[in-house]
Amino acid sequence: DGGITQSPKYLFRKEGQNVTLSCEQNLNHDAMYWYRQDPGQGLRLIYYSQIVNDFQKGDIAEGYSVSREKKESFPLTVTSAQKNPTAFYLCASSIVGSADYEQYFGPGTRLTVT
Amino acid sequence: AQSVTQPDIHITVSEGASLELRCNYSYGATPYLFWYVQSPGQGLQLLLKYFSGDTLVQGIKGFEAEFKRSQSSFNLRKPSVHWSDAAEYFCAVGRVFNNDMRFGAGTRLTVKP
Repeated sequence: DGGITQSPKYLFRKEGQNVTLSCEQNLNHDAMYWYRQDPGQGLRLIYYSQIVNDFQKGDIAEGYSVSREKKESFPLTVTSAQKNPTAFYLCASSIVGSADYEQYFGPGTRLTVT
Repeated sequence: AQSVTQPDIHITVSEGASLELRCNYSYGATPYLFWYVQSPGQGLQLLLKYFSGDTLVQGIKGFEAEFKRSQSSFNLRKPSVHWSDAAEYFCAVGRVFNNDMRFGAGTRLTVKP
C-alpha cells in the first residue's frame, strides 16, 4: 500500500541535542512538507520541497533544517537552536503541477525535549 | 496571503444529533478548500475538498460541506453524528496550482452518548 511513514512515533531528547525525524513516502509525489502542530494552533509549515535537492522555508523554519536527496525521503533535523522544540511533527506529500491536489499525511512524530 | 478561521475551538454534540463546523477563509481569488480529520495522536485524513463546480461537496464518512463565496465560508456538516466522529477537524485553504496550504486552528468535537 502506498503511503507516508514517519519514525519514530515518540522521540525523547535532552536539551541541546540535535535530533532528526524521518519521513518516507512511496506515493511518487514530488512535493513534501513538514508541519509542526501545537495545541490550539493548528498546523504551521516548517519547510517544503517540490523537487529533489531543492527546498524552501515555511513560516517557522528557524531552528530547523531539512534535506531532499531522494524523492522518497525528506528528513527534518530539529537543532539545538530551536527554542521550544517539544511538539507533534507531521510530514505530508502531494503531487505538483495539477489544479486538483491534496496533501497526504503521515502518522506523525511526537518529540519531547527536556 | 490566504488564511483560515475556525471560530469554534470545541463543540459537544449528542450521538445522533446533527453537526455543523464553521470555517471562514480569506483569499483574493477562487480558493481551493479542504476539510481534514485527525484522531488523537494520528495524522490527518482528508474528508473532502472543493476546487470548482457544485458548491455542495460530498465526502467520506457521511460528511458534506458547502462553499458560499458571498460569506467566504466552507462549513462542514453531518446529519447524524456517531461516537466514532469524535476527533479534531481542520479546515484548510490553498491556491490553485500552488501547493501552499493554510490550516485553521482546528475544532475539537466531543460526542456525548
